[in-house]
Amino acid sequence: GDSVTQMEGPVTLSEEAFLTINCTYTATGYPSLFWYVQYPGEGLQLLLKATKADDKGSNKGFEATYRKETTSFHLEKGSVQVSDSAVYFCALNTGNQFYFGTGTSLTVIP
Amino acid sequence: GAVVSQHPSRVICKSGTSVKIECRSLDFQATTMFWYRQFPKKSLMLMATSNEGSKATYEQGVEKDKFLINHASLTLSTLTVTSAHPEDSSFYICSARDWGNQETQYFGPGTRLLVL
Repeated sequence: GDSVTQMEGPVTLSEEAFLTINCTYTATGYPSLFWYVQYPGEGLQLLLKATKADDKGSNKGFEATYRKETTSFHLEKGSVQVSDSAVYFCALNTGNQFYFGTGTSLTVIP
Repeated sequence: GAVVSQHPSRVICKSGTSVKIECRSLDFQATTMFWYRQFPKKSLMLMATSNEGSKATYEQGVEKDKFLINHASLTLSTLTVTSAHPEDSSFYICSARDWGNQETQYFGPGTRLLVL
């Protein structure tokens, strides 16, 4: 069935370090792909999305490219800040239902 | 962007009582809303899909008589936890799908329920 696999956390980085959070998916058809971010004690916020192969989603310095050949949608940021500390969820939408990864906790230390 | 609100944000209740949680789409119409439950340091577990004007569709293992869902209008869905018990304590999150942009779900801020 359809599913999303995310790298296990937690991830701890120093401020200004490069971030990659891996996400791969399994789906029939052509899903849309998403990254959501959850700050402590809050709900999920849409960070970025891509709706077709080779699309690049970007927001707040984060980027992810929809790679159909590798079924991946890795999240990257060139220079993380303390305020980026949160849990990041990769998700796919097949049109009827969303499937979420297990989340990756990121802590950025000054 | 699209905004979804939830009320209350936090609730403490006694075991055996019922609690109602509201989910509203503030600036768009949502024919479909979703209710999730999130356990500490875990991903979201979809509980049910709520369609305006019809009965909710519950995921396997979710008791529909315990978690009552009503979606009476295009901007409001409610989740009622009936006869709550301590094991129902959790973070409940709703989301809504924009009628005009059905690819994206917008999430509410969540409701923290603590049953004593």
